[in-house]
Amino acid sequence: ETGVTQTPRHLVMGMTNKKSLKCEQHLGHNAMYWYKQSAKKPLELMFVYNFKEQTENNSVPSRFSPECPNSSHLFLHLHTLQPEDSALYLCASSQDGGFRETQYFGPGTRLLVL
Amino acid sequence: DQQVKQNSPSLSVQEGRISILNCDYTNSMFDYFLWYKKYPAEGPTFLISISSIKDKNEDGRFTVFLNKSAKHLSLHIVPSQPGDSAVYFCAASETGNQFYFGTGTSLTVIP
Repeated sequence: ETGVTQTPRHLVMGMTNKKSLKCEQHLGHNAMYWYKQSAKKPLELMFVYNFKEQTENNSVPSRFSPECPNSSHLFLHLHTLQPEDSALYLCASSQDGGFRETQYFGPGTRLLVL
Repeated sequence: DQQVKQNSPSLSVQEGRISILNCDYTNSMFDYFLWYKKYPAEGPTFLISISSIKDKNEDGRFTVFLNKSAKHLSLHIVPSQPGDSAVYFCAASETGNQFYFGTGTSLTVIP
Protein backbone atom coordinates (compact mmCIF):
# COMPACT_ATOMS: atom_id res chain seq x y z
CA GLU A 1 0.00 0.00 0.00
CA THR A 2 1.17 3.50 -0.75
CA GLY A 3 0.04 6.96 0.28
CA VAL A 4 -2.78 7.38 2.76
CA THR A 5 -5.40 4.66 3.18
CA GLN A 6 -8.68 4.80 5.05
CA THR A 7 -11.02 2.04 6.17
CA PRO A 8 -13.85 1.47 5.91
CA ARG A 9 -14.70 3.40 2.76
CA HIS A 10 -18.40 3.42 3.62
CA LEU A 11 -20.12 3.11 6.98
CA VAL A 12 -23.74 3.14 8.04
CA MET A 13 -24.41 3.31 11.76
CA GLY A 14 -27.26 3.93 14.16
CA MET A 15 -27.16 6.68 16.72
CA THR A 16 -26.47 4.24 19.54
CA ASN A 17 -23.63 2.41 17.79
CA LYS A 18 -19.92 2.69 18.44
CA LYS A 19 -17.60 2.48 15.46
CA SER A 20 -14.09 3.50 14.53
CA LEU A 21 -12.54 4.95 11.40
CA LYS A 22 -8.97 4.00 10.62
CA CYS A 23 -6.32 5.90 8.71
CA GLU A 24 -2.84 4.71 7.82
CA GLN A 25 -0.10 6.62 6.06
CA HIS A 26 2.85 4.98 4.33
CA LEU A 27 4.75 8.20 3.64
CA GLY A 28 6.92 8.45 6.74
CA HIS A 29 5.13 11.62 7.82
CA ASN A 30 4.91 12.89 11.38
CA ALA A 31 1.64 14.80 11.29
CA MET A 32 -1.87 13.49 10.68
CA TYR A 33 -5.21 15.23 10.36
CA TRP A 34 -8.93 14.49 10.44
CA TYR A 35 -11.24 16.59 8.28
CA LYS A 36 -15.01 16.51 7.89
CA GLN A 37 -16.81 17.41 4.68
CA SER A 38 -20.58 17.72 4.93
CA ALA A 39 -22.74 18.05 1.84
CA LYS A 40 -22.29 21.43 0.14
CA LYS A 41 -19.96 22.61 2.90
CA PRO A 42 -16.21 23.15 2.85
CA LEU A 43 -13.69 20.79 4.40
CA GLU A 44 -13.49 21.45 8.11
CA LEU A 45 -10.40 20.61 10.13
CA MET A 46 -11.27 18.50 13.18
CA PHE A 47 -8.02 17.31 14.75
CA VAL A 48 -4.29 17.54 14.21
CA TYR A 49 -1.69 15.18 15.60
CA ASN A 50 1.99 15.99 15.44
CA PHE A 51 4.47 13.33 16.51
CA LYS A 52 1.52 11.45 18.13
CA GLU A 53 0.49 14.46 20.23
CA GLN A 54 -2.79 16.24 19.61
CA THR A 55 -2.00 19.83 18.68
CA GLU A 56 -5.36 21.01 17.39
CA ASN A 57 -8.96 20.31 18.35
CA ASN A 58 -11.35 22.53 16.46
CA SER A 59 -14.15 22.52 19.04
CA VAL A 60 -15.20 19.06 17.98
CA PRO A 61 -17.97 17.41 20.06
CA SER A 62 -16.81 14.72 22.45
CA ARG A 63 -18.77 12.06 20.57
CA PHE A 64 -15.76 12.13 18.21
CA SER A 65 -12.68 10.76 19.92
CA PRO A 66 -9.36 10.63 18.05
CA GLU A 67 -6.49 8.29 18.83
CA CYS A 68 -2.99 8.33 17.42
CA PRO A 69 -0.99 5.33 18.66
CA ASN A 70 1.96 6.10 16.38
CA SER A 71 2.89 8.45 13.56
CA SER A 72 1.53 6.08 10.92
CA HIS A 73 -1.92 5.37 12.33
CA LEU A 74 -4.83 7.58 13.24
CA PHE A 75 -8.25 6.51 14.46
CA LEU A 76 -11.51 8.35 14.93
CA HIS A 77 -13.76 6.66 17.45
CA LEU A 78 -17.44 7.43 17.02
CA HIS A 79 -20.19 7.02 19.62
CA THR A 80 -23.76 8.27 19.97
CA LEU A 81 -23.55 10.21 16.73
CA GLN A 82 -26.34 12.34 15.32
CA PRO A 83 -27.76 12.26 11.78
CA GLU A 84 -26.10 15.65 11.10
CA ASP A 85 -22.74 13.93 11.59
CA SER A 86 -23.29 12.14 8.28
CA ALA A 87 -20.45 13.32 6.07
CA LEU A 88 -17.25 12.37 4.29
CA TYR A 89 -14.40 12.03 6.79
CA LEU A 90 -10.99 12.60 5.29
CA CYS A 91 -7.65 11.79 6.81
CA ALA A 92 -4.47 13.55 5.71
CA SER A 93 -0.80 13.53 6.61
CA SER A 94 2.11 15.90 6.16
CA GLN A 95 5.81 15.77 6.88
CA ASP A 96 6.10 17.65 10.17
CA GLY A 97 2.84 19.45 10.79
CA GLY A 98 3.78 22.86 9.45
CA PHE A 99 0.67 24.53 8.15
CA ARG A 100 2.40 25.41 4.89
CA GLU A 101 3.23 21.80 4.15
CA THR A 102 1.47 19.90 1.44
CA GLN A 103 -1.06 17.56 2.97
CA TYR A 104 -1.68 14.17 1.42
CA PHE A 105 -5.25 12.98 1.71
CA GLY A 106 -6.79 9.54 1.91
CA PRO A 107 -9.89 8.66 -0.12
CA GLY A 108 -12.21 9.24 2.83
CA THR A 109 -14.89 7.33 4.70
CA ARG A 110 -18.46 8.11 3.69
CA LEU A 111 -20.47 7.95 6.94
CA LEU A 112 -24.24 7.77 7.19
CA VAL A 113 -25.85 8.04 10.63
CA LEU A 114 -29.43 6.79 10.82
CA ASP B 1 -19.41 32.35 8.05
CA GLN B 2 -17.27 30.95 5.27
CA GLN B 3 -13.94 32.68 4.86
CA VAL B 4 -13.23 31.09 1.47
CA LYS B 5 -15.90 30.95 -1.19
CA GLN B 6 -16.15 29.27 -4.54
CA ASN B 7 -19.35 30.66 -5.96
CA SER B 8 -19.52 28.46 -9.04
CA PRO B 9 -20.42 24.89 -8.09
CA SER B 10 -19.77 23.67 -11.62
CA LEU B 11 -18.10 24.64 -14.89
CA SER B 12 -18.08 23.02 -18.34
CA VAL B 13 -15.36 23.77 -20.87
CA GLN B 14 -14.53 22.42 -24.31
CA GLU B 15 -11.32 20.45 -24.63
CA GLY B 16 -8.43 22.67 -25.68
CA ARG B 17 -10.00 25.84 -24.31
CA ILE B 18 -9.12 27.69 -21.12
CA SER B 19 -10.74 26.77 -17.80
CA ILE B 20 -10.93 29.55 -15.20
CA LEU B 21 -11.88 28.62 -11.67
CA ASN B 22 -12.48 31.41 -9.18
CA CYS B 23 -12.13 31.75 -5.44
CA ASP B 24 -12.86 34.67 -3.12
CA TYR B 25 -11.80 35.14 0.47
CA THR B 26 -12.76 37.51 3.25
CA ASN B 27 -9.79 37.44 5.65
CA SER B 28 -7.17 40.00 4.59
CA MET B 29 -4.64 38.23 6.83
CA PHE B 30 -4.57 35.18 4.55
CA ASP B 31 -1.14 35.01 2.97
CA TYR B 32 -0.87 31.54 1.49
CA PHE B 33 -3.21 29.85 -0.94
CA LEU B 34 -3.55 26.38 -2.41
CA TRP B 35 -5.54 24.59 -5.04
CA TYR B 36 -6.40 20.93 -4.65
CA LYS B 37 -7.93 18.62 -7.23
CA LYS B 38 -10.23 15.73 -6.36
CA TYR B 39 -11.36 12.83 -8.51
CA PRO B 40 -14.40 10.77 -7.45
CA ALA B 41 -13.64 8.17 -4.78
CA GLU B 42 -10.18 9.65 -4.21
CA GLY B 43 -8.83 12.16 -1.73
CA PRO B 44 -7.87 15.69 -2.76
CA THR B 45 -4.38 16.03 -4.23
CA PHE B 46 -2.27 19.17 -4.12
CA LEU B 47 -2.11 21.05 -7.40
CA ILE B 48 -0.47 24.44 -7.02
CA SER B 49 0.18 27.11 -4.39
CA ILE B 50 0.87 30.83 -4.19
CA SER B 51 2.01 33.09 -1.40
CA SER B 52 0.88 36.66 -1.01
CA ILE B 53 4.25 38.06 -2.04
CA LYS B 54 3.50 36.95 -5.59
CA ASP B 55 0.58 37.60 -7.88
CA LYS B 56 1.14 34.70 -10.24
CA ASN B 57 2.50 31.18 -10.09
CA GLU B 58 2.73 28.86 -13.03
CA ASP B 59 3.23 25.10 -13.28
CA GLY B 60 2.83 23.67 -16.73
CA ARG B 61 -0.75 24.09 -17.89
CA PHE B 62 -1.81 25.44 -14.49
CA THR B 63 -1.48 29.07 -13.43
CA VAL B 64 -2.78 30.64 -10.26
CA PHE B 65 -3.38 34.38 -10.09
CA LEU B 66 -3.76 36.32 -6.85
CA ASN B 67 -5.42 39.73 -6.57
CA LYS B 68 -4.90 40.76 -2.96
CA SER B 69 -6.81 44.01 -3.20
CA ALA B 70 -9.87 42.17 -4.48
CA LYS B 71 -9.27 39.17 -2.19
CA HIS B 72 -9.60 36.96 -5.21
CA LEU B 73 -7.64 34.14 -6.72
CA SER B 74 -8.17 32.16 -9.84
CA LEU B 75 -6.84 28.98 -11.38
CA HIS B 76 -6.32 28.90 -15.13
CA ILE B 77 -5.93 25.61 -16.98
CA VAL B 78 -4.68 25.94 -20.54
CA PRO B 79 -5.32 23.93 -22.63
CA SER B 80 -8.01 22.00 -20.79
CA GLN B 81 -7.98 18.24 -21.18
CA PRO B 82 -10.67 15.63 -20.39
CA GLY B 83 -8.45 14.26 -17.61
CA ASP B 84 -8.77 17.63 -15.88
CA SER B 85 -12.41 16.86 -15.13
CA ALA B 86 -12.53 16.86 -11.32
CA VAL B 87 -13.59 18.94 -8.35
CA TYR B 88 -11.20 21.80 -7.57
CA PHE B 89 -10.88 23.23 -4.06
CA CYS B 90 -9.13 26.42 -3.12
CA ALA B 91 -7.77 26.88 0.40
CA ALA B 92 -6.25 29.81 2.26
CA SER B 93 -4.37 30.33 5.49
CA GLU B 94 -2.62 32.99 7.49
CA THR B 95 0.82 32.33 8.93
CA GLY B 96 0.81 29.61 11.57
CA ASN B 97 -2.83 28.73 11.18
CA GLN B 98 -4.96 26.09 9.58
CA PHE B 99 -6.24 26.17 6.03
CA TYR B 100 -9.80 27.19 5.26
CA PHE B 101 -11.30 25.50 2.23
CA GLY B 102 -13.91 26.49 -0.30
CA THR B 103 -16.80 24.21 -1.23
CA GLY B 104 -15.27 23.23 -4.56
CA THR B 105 -16.02 23.71 -8.24
CA SER B 106 -16.75 20.67 -10.38
CA LEU B 107 -15.01 21.04 -13.75
CA THR B 108 -16.13 19.03 -16.76
CA VAL B 109 -13.94 19.16 -19.86
CA ILE B 110 -15.93 18.07 -22.88
CA PRO B 111 -13.98 16.13 -25.54
